[in-house]
Amino acid sequence: QPVLTQSSSASASLGSSVKLTCTLSSGYSSYIIAWHQQQPGKAPRYLMKLEGSGSYNKGSGVPDRFSGSSSGADRYLTISNLQFEDEADYYCETRDSNTRVFGSGTKVTVL
Amino acid sequence: EVQLLESGGGLVQPGGSLRLSCAASGFTFSNYAMSWVRQAPGKGLEWVSAITGSGGGAYYGDSVKGRFTVSRDNSKNTLYLQMNSLRAGDTAVYYCARLRDGCTDYWGQGTLVTVSS
Repeated sequence: QPVLTQSSSASASLGSSVKLTCTLSSGYSSYIIAWHQQQPGKAPRYLMKLEGSGSYNKGSGVPDRFSGSSSGADRYLTISNLQFEDEADYYCETRDSNTRVFGSGTKVTVL
Repeated sequence: EVQLLESGGGLVQPGGSLRLSCAASGFTFSNYAMSWVRQAPGKGLEWVSAITGSGGGAYYGDSVKGRFTVSRDNSKNTLYLQMNSLRAGDTAVYYCARLRDGCTDYWGQGTLVTVSS
């Protein structure tokens, strides 16, 4: 089954941009993923579905500051004009046949 | 508005059983596959189980296979997770989630399960 690799942490200043990476393991580079945000003490929230082509569909109410892109096996989540409420853990998710896999998550700190 | 409300969590002794429920509203429940995902304290998300919209297909992560059973009652718009032979390692917040086009697109608020003597 696929493995999703995420860096453990990222930080950026208020109002700047940060780009998070989720890398699909070998043989799964075409797979669709989803990005989820989990603010401290809260349930996860779906942000978007992201295809290998770079096309993405965001969930209801997700701000325009969140966007997705792809390159090969890498799937990106870019947060522009970073706000304090964006400080959270971000997880990627994919599926293979009837199983689902999550990445280990990236903790974003807003400086 | 899509809503998923979990219940049934609590403290249980090792080897014990617990049944979680997830009441769904705001969408046609039987049209969607559903999933359970858990999160141990301070850890990341772990997929537990999924079930098709009709209930005809059920799937499990390796860590719970043979101990947990997922089911649904489409007449009651409710998803269930029967957990048997519970271990300390099953301690986590359990989330109910809706699946759409292969992805999780809505999450519940979660229910805490603590396995301890």
